[in-house]
Amino acid sequence: AQKVTQAQTEISVVEKEDVTLDCVYETRDTTYYLFWYKQPPSGELVFLIRRNSFDEQNEISGRYSWNFQKSTSSFNFTITASQVVDSAVYFCALSDPNTDKLIFGTGTRLQVFP
Amino acid sequence: GAVVSQHPSWVICKSGTSVKIECRSLDFQATTMFWYRQFPKQSLMLMATSNEGSKATYEQGVEKDKFLINHASLTLSTLTVTSAHPEDSSFYICSAMSRVDSYEQYFGPGTRLTVT
Repeated sequence: AQKVTQAQTEISVVEKEDVTLDCVYETRDTTYYLFWYKQPPSGELVFLIRRNSFDEQNEISGRYSWNFQKSTSSFNFTITASQVVDSAVYFCALSDPNTDKLIFGTGTRLQVFP
Repeated sequence: GAVVSQHPSWVICKSGTSVKIECRSLDFQATTMFWYRQFPKQSLMLMATSNEGSKATYEQGVEKDKFLINHASLTLSTLTVTSAHPEDSSFYICSAMSRVDSYEQYFGPGTRLTVT
């Protein structure tokens, strides 16, 4: 069965600190996609990244970076020099290649204090 | 990027009434739409998958007679919560995908339902 685990329920940091959000997944599929979404207080999901299971290259986008390691089934997300606007709930998700369904983790609530 | 809208963005209704939520793909044809429910401080839980022109497939534990889903066109899917009760109060989110093009899921902004 597929599963996504985000062990960190809530993280609090002070502005300008770096923070890493952990994501561990389980799947028997060899082809799948991994995602990260941001959900600010407004509720609308903001797409951050999609990663193919065959592409283990790390990705950097501005202050955001992602570390994908198939050996440990992890897809961690790091925010460098965090800002108050980064405060949100962040979800990691795994796609089922047969149905295209997304399996979401329980989310990590990030609070960045000024 | 692809845009998905939901209407209404929020709704308050009385217990026992029915509420319809619309999900529209504005600039692409969505062969598949997904409906999620999110309770406060919880994750998104998939309720059902709807493919245009066919019956929706419901996840285990979701009552198909209570949550009626219609996907009659490539740009519109509707979720009707019938005989709503306070425990149905939740944030309902749809996503739309084209199995012809990118297979990317695009999420709507969500609908907050409060049943009094």
